[in-house]
Amino acid sequence: AQKITQTQPGMFVQEKEAVTLDCTYDTSDPSYGLFWYKQPSSGEMIFLIYQGSYDQQNATEGRYSLNFQKARKSANLVISASQLGDSAMYFCAMADNQGGKLIFGQGTELSVKP
Amino acid sequence: GAVVSQHPSWVICKSGTSVKIECRSLDFQATTMFWYRQFPKQSLMLMATSNEGSKATYEQGVEKDKFLINHASLTLSTLTVTSAHPEDSSFYICSAREVAHEQYFGPGTRLTVT
Repeated sequence: AQKITQTQPGMFVQEKEAVTLDCTYDTSDPSYGLFWYKQPSSGEMIFLIYQGSYDQQNATEGRYSLNFQKARKSANLVISASQLGDSAMYFCAMADNQGGKLIFGQGTELSVKP
Repeated sequence: GAVVSQHPSWVICKSGTSVKIECRSLDFQATTMFWYRQFPKQSLMLMATSNEGSKATYEQGVEKDKFLINHASLTLSTLTVTSAHPEDSSFYICSAREVAHEQYFGPGTRLTVT
């Protein structure tokens, strides 16, 4: 069975600094996708970044980058130059390539301090 | 980008009544839609996968007779919470899948059962 683990319930970061949110996963499927979503207090799920299991390079999207270490089964999210608007819940998720359904981690609540 | 809407955005109903939540893909055809449930400060839990024209596939532990899902067209899926009780109060989020791994989320529906 697939499993996603986020071990940081809450994180604080100073504005303009970088922060890493941890995510580890477990699956026996060779083909899978890893996602990060941001959920502000409004509740909407905002897609941030995607990494395919066969992608050779780490994914990057603007200030977001995914530190993909396949052997360790980790897919940490790095946010550079944190902004106050980055304060939100962040979820790591995994999907298989068959049905596409997402399995979510427990989430990390990020607070950016001015 | 692809847009998914949900209606209503929030609803309050009395215990014992039924509530219908709509999920629409506005600018693409969604062959698959997913329904998630989220309790406060918790992660998203997949309830069911809905494919157009066929019966929904429910996750283990989700009562299919209580949470009726219909995916009548390529742009609309509905979730009906039958005989709602206070413990059904939650945030319900749908997502729609267009191509291989693209999954777009709706803004969510907050259900309160009194």
